[in-house]
Amino acid sequence: QITLRESGPALVRPTQTLTLTCSFSGFSLTQTGMSVSWVRQSPGRALEWIARITWNDDKYYTTSLKTRLLISKDTSKNQVTLTVPSADPADTGTYFCARTRVGGATRESYYYYMDVWGKGTTVTVSS
Amino acid sequence: DIQMTQSPSTLSASVGDRVTITCRASQSISSWLAWYQQKPGKAPTLVISKASSLGAGVPSRFSGGGSGTQFTLTISGLQPDDCATYYCQQYYSPLYTFGQGTRLEI
Repeated sequence: QITLRESGPALVRPTQTLTLTCSFSGFSLTQTGMSVSWVRQSPGRALEWIARITWNDDKYYTTSLKTRLLISKDTSKNQVTLTVPSADPADTGTYFCARTRVGGATRESYYYYMDVWGKGTTVTVSS
Repeated sequence: DIQMTQSPSTLSASVGDRVTITCRASQSISSWLAWYQQKPGKAPTLVISKASSLGAGVPSRFSGGGSGTQFTLTISGLQPDDCATYYCQQYYSPLYTFGQGTRLEI
């Protein structure tokens, strides 16, 4: 059974570092073709993909937040961490992590989709 | 980045109806499109991958179609449990993007 669970602080002050952890089981980030994504949802808004890390340590960030996010993995602990070094009230929302696996390939590339999601963790950035 | 546009934003229907949600990509994404269902206060769940492949455990009344820039999610024989917001998402580019969502009211 594949499970993911997000954890982190419920409240963070502006300019503080926000660190979120995704703990997972049922798969390994050492498996070829495996990755983990983070998706954010601001209150009342749409889903927003923000970051992904792959089995071979490739990292991808959404363009608008590329300079503000850091994603890393600890394969020994089956964890992925998302760090926002200087949190802003606009970072308030629910953060989901999702297993992201290869769903197909062409000669040029592999294509990954998010198939199993955690329940999410809600963060408020406020003074 | 690839822009994804869904229509309509809100859809009202009745039990038993057949409804279709449309998703348009700003450039061709081949068939690398997923659909997710999200109920209030819950995490999204996968409905469709690769434009038309049903996710595990998803009822057969859901179907997906399209390729290139135009895609559809169709629900035939609407059930009360289908009340949710539906999102399309492209994974052609490694910088994933979602549509703005379609809220389905029953």
